Amino acid sequence: AQTVTQSQPEMSVQEAETVTLSCTYDTSESDYYLFWYKQPPSRQMILVIRQEAYKQQNATENRFSVNFQKAAKSFSLKISDSQLGDAAMYFCAYRSPMGTDKLIFGTGTRLQVFP
Amino acid sequence: KAGVTQTPRYLIKTRGQQVTLSCSPISGHRSVSWYQQTPGQGLQFLFEYFSETQRNKGNFPGRFSGRQFSNSRSEMNVSTLELGDSALYLCASSPLVASSYNEQFFGPGTRLTVL
Repeated sequence: AQTVTQSQPEMSVQEAETVTLSCTYDTSESDYYLFWYKQPPSRQMILVIRQEAYKQQNATENRFSVNFQKAAKSFSLKISDSQLGDAAMYFCAYRSPMGTDKLIFGTGTRLQVFP
Repeated sequence: KAGVTQTPRYLIKTRGQQVTLSCSPISGHRSVSWYQQTPGQGLQFLFEYFSETQRNKGNFPGRFSGRQFSNSRSEMNVSTLELGDSALYLCASSPLVASSYNEQFFGPGTRLTVL
């Protein structure tokens, strides 16, 4: 069975600085998807960024980028130029490639952003 | 397009009662998944439906059940409620099954409190 681990329950960053959230996972599958989701307080979960395991290039979405290390089964999220609106719970998630939408989530990292 | 809607948003029940939660996916989305979110267990997959068929089920007792209707709307039911069922129940929908990637969109959740 696949598992996802987020070892940082809480992180904090100053506005305009950079922060990296860690995620490791375990799987025997060779192909899969990895995601970072953001859940602001009392608001809906939204997708931040995704990575297909077969792609070696790290995904980037504006200020958000990932460091995907397939051999190490590591998938970290880097937030550059942090903004107050980035404050939220961040969840790392795993999904098998086909035939299911089932997401396996990590326990989450609460990110605080200080002005 | 309207997003994923969940009703009701808040619910208070007492132990032993049963409850039905509803999820309306984004128009055109045929796949619906349900998750339970608690502070202790995090985000756990309950089940997913596609074309009125349950494709996948998480590790929950039989008190948790669901169904999907021909218009893709989904309901989940919890019978004989226990205190531990207090949680935020999230629904997510996605458009396709066989494509290589399905982005899932989450609803705002139903906050269930069991007294």
